[in-house]
Amino acid sequence: QKEVEQNSGPLSVPEGAIASLNCTYSDRGSQSFFWYRQYSGKSPELIMFIYSNGDKEDGRFTAQLNKASQYVSLLIRDSQPSDSATYLCAVSMNSGYSTLTFGKGTMLLVSP
Amino acid sequence: SAVISQKPSRDICQRGTSLTIQCQVDSQVTMMFWYRQQPGQSLTLIATANQGSEATYESGFVIDKFPISRPNLTFSTLTVSNMSPEDSSIYLCSVELAAYTGELFFGEGSRLTVL
Repeated sequence: QKEVEQNSGPLSVPEGAIASLNCTYSDRGSQSFFWYRQYSGKSPELIMFIYSNGDKEDGRFTAQLNKASQYVSLLIRDSQPSDSATYLCAVSMNSGYSTLTFGKGTMLLVSP
Repeated sequence: SAVISQKPSRDICQRGTSLTIQCQVDSQVTMMFWYRQQPGQSLTLIATANQGSEATYESGFVIDKFPISRPNLTFSTLTVSNMSPEDSSIYLCSVELAAYTGELFFGEGSRLTVL
């Protein structure tokens, strides 16, 4: 049974702070890792993906992957109130048949 | 990205009835998926909609309950059959523009309430 675990939150941070969102996964064969953002009442949208160990930066977002520890995180620098949303971690075996296993998400609240 | 249109956006249904959700994409895509998001839960994959052949269902989902059609590379339907209150959920169509990458784009979802 593949599992993706996230703290449900809410994670509350003040505007301008760094928000750190964490995710662990159970399947060691997982190859691809994704972060989706879901605003209340809206559908998820992809914000980051990472395939290799280490850090990947895209603007204010940094994804970090540690396959040995089966751990992936998302850092949001200079958090803005518009970043308030639920962040879903998703994992794929990416073995030629691409399906994702999603975590339940962490709610982030950025206060002005 | 892709523009993904789902209909209906929401509906209230009676127990025992069936409802078909439509998903239209503005470009041809190989991979289309149907997900379910129950209240307070994350997304669960129902099935992969295969063009010209039977859908591939995930564990816990069966064709009799969730028949899927995929007549071409831009359109798919999901039917929720013989509905019960437990089927109240948001149903999401998603596409993968680059096959086998896991980078999904989602429709706006269809929120079903079963009374």
